[in-house]
Amino acid sequence: EIVLTQSPGTLSLSPGERATLSCRASQSLTNSYLAWYQQKPGQAPRLLFYGASRRATGIPDRFTGSGSGTDFTLTISRLEPEDFAVYFCQQYGSSPPDTFGQGTKLEI
Amino acid sequence: QVTLRESGPALVKPTQTLTLTCSFSGFSLSTSGMSVFWIRQPPGKALEWLARIDWDDDKYYSTSLRTRLTISKDTSKNQVVLTMTNMAPVDTATYYCARIRGSSFPPAPDVWGKGTTVTVSS
Repeated sequence: EIVLTQSPGTLSLSPGERATLSCRASQSLTNSYLAWYQQKPGQAPRLLFYGASRRATGIPDRFTGSGSGTDFTLTISRLEPEDFAVYFCQQYGSSPPDTFGQGTKLEI
Repeated sequence: QVTLRESGPALVKPTQTLTLTCSFSGFSLSTSGMSVFWIRQPPGKALEWLARIDWDDDKYYSTSLRTRLTISKDTSKNQVVLTMTNMAPVDTATYYCARIRGSSFPPAPDVWGKGTTVTVSS
């Protein structure tokens, strides 16, 4: 089973700053089937990226997904107030069981 | 428009079996590459992947929960059913279903249901 480790656990930043979130896999994701989600309180997760770097429909271009192998990154170039939320990564599809990281809380 | 909706009991007693149904529209689970998976999230905690069923009826389960889970599909009804046996208070969570759109490359886990909250208590 592939274990995903997200860091940091909590990231404290201000609007306008740049955020860098990490997701590290215990084994190489050979197909880079890695997704990033944003979750706000009381809501279902919202897909941000799939295939590590493919932006989902409607996601602003201040969000960037990158990485391959075992190291993946979600970058938010200039934080907006609505970006403060919890972010999860997930490996899916090609190496079941699929798994999630433990999440990064992005707080003001 | 693709939608998924979870349904099931809001309250179950310890040792009972939970049966959840994911009803979906806007796609067919008989289409090559499509999958539906279940996830849960205890209050204030992380997402936990539970199980997945693919278009060709391949099934996959969480390593830690595999002895308690069964996933199945009814393609004619556009439904996926998850059963979890021997429920305990630690299984209290919001349960979600979601699809993986595998008809294009790369596949995308693009649509989630709103979730259903299950409480385990006597």
